[in-house]
Amino acid sequence: DVKVTQSSRYLVKRTGEKVFLECVQDMDHENMFWYRQDPGLGLRLIYFSYDVKMKEKGDIPEGYSVSREKKERFSLILESASTNQTSMYLCASSLRGSTADTQYFGPGTRLTVL
Amino acid sequence: SQQGEEDPQALSIQEGENATMNCSYKTSINNLQWYRQNSGRGLVHLILIRSNEREKHSGRLRVTLDTSKKSSSLLITASRAADTASYFCATEGGSWGKLQFGAGTQVVVTP
Repeated sequence: DVKVTQSSRYLVKRTGEKVFLECVQDMDHENMFWYRQDPGLGLRLIYFSYDVKMKEKGDIPEGYSVSREKKERFSLILESASTNQTSMYLCASSLRGSTADTQYFGPGTRLTVL
Repeated sequence: SQQGEEDPQALSIQEGENATMNCSYKTSINNLQWYRQNSGRGLVHLILIRSNEREKHSGRLRVTLDTSKKSSSLLITASRAADTASYFCATEGGSWGKLQFGAGTQVVVTP
């Protein structure tokens, strides 16, 4: 079974802090994704990566950056957290090579910025 | 940008009844996928239907796709309390396996 893990289930940070959210997958997937989920808005793609050291902006990249130094690990960074970044953050991975990529999700990190 | 839109936003049914939810999308797709999310958890993939398919079954799930109307439906037959969850459609139409998710349908199944 594919396993995607995220470093924290719940996180509370203060405005202006630098925040790191870590995601690890154990199935050698090329693609990794970071989403945020807000009520009524569904999942919105922040960034994705299709290979080590490669990254592409999603629909809402402002205020975020990412890092992928190893294939299994994809980090989301909030350089200076703000209250409007309070949300559920979901990481996912998928195997590249077909046009039918199923995404496997981690359990999510609920971030609160005070 | 949101590609899929689910309808209804919320659905409340009793155990044993069928649950139907719909998804409409705007642009051409390679495939459409349905995911389930239990409260406060990650999403779990349920079923995928390709653009050249019209209907697909998986256990108690039936998915239809009408590309001319740019719409899909998910039917859960003989629902159970454990089916209580939010259901999301997601479309894939570009490269790199990117998905566009809708806002979801929240389903509550009461015993």
